[in-house]
Amino acid sequence: EVQLVESGGGLVQPGWSLRLSCAASGFTFDDYAMHWVRQAPGKGLEWVSGISWKSITIGYAGSVKGRFTISRNNPKKSLYLQMNNLGPEDTALYYCAKDIAGEITGDNNFDNWGQGILVTVSS
Amino acid sequence: SYELTQPPSVSVSPGQTASIICSGDKLGDKYASWYQQRSGQSPVLVIFQDSKRPSGIPERFSGSNSGNTATLTISGTQAIDEADYYCQAWDSSVVFGGGTKLTVL
Repeated sequence: EVQLVESGGGLVQPGWSLRLSCAASGFTFDDYAMHWVRQAPGKGLEWVSGISWKSITIGYAGSVKGRFTISRNNPKKSLYLQMNNLGPEDTALYYCAKDIAGEITGDNNFDNWGQGILVTVSS
Repeated sequence: SYELTQPPSVSVSPGQTASIICSGDKLGDKYASWYQQRSGQSPVLVIFQDSKRPSGIPERFSGSNSGNTATLTISGTQAIDEADYYCQAWDSSVVFGGGTKLTVL
């Protein structure tokens, strides 16, 4: 059974940093691209970032480019999201999601999702 | 930036067919996917590559994509299908629609 467990969220002040982690199990982590998708309270889904299986291809949403950094550690079966200079607009539930493919292409689909981790940015 | 537009809400009677549309410029030239998100739960992929169903998704879920519109169709809608539905496509990056709340009356 595929499991994705996010951690590292919490309440931070504007301008602070936070690092999210996602621990994966139940599948061959190295074979698949991975993504972060967020959902602000009461709002829709927003793709944040994705990383290909070998970390060669990385993409970011315009709203986080230059502030967030995605990475992965295949031997540890873990996905990360380093978030810097956080603002209130980054307040959301952050989901770790597994792709059905290994590359970041024009056909990315998320077939498994974690339960999400809440990030709240407020003074 | 590329936008996908969905109606905020759709209502359907149990046993009837529900259709949820997603509009975007030349969307038919791209692949469309659909996700179901029940209240308080994580999203679930129900349709990918326009019309394919992942394993475990009931046959009553189907999809199509042509021109500027992708459509998710739920035949014989059941109460458990009540949820928010999001379309998704790719245009330089992953794009989600704003979501449609399906109410089964």
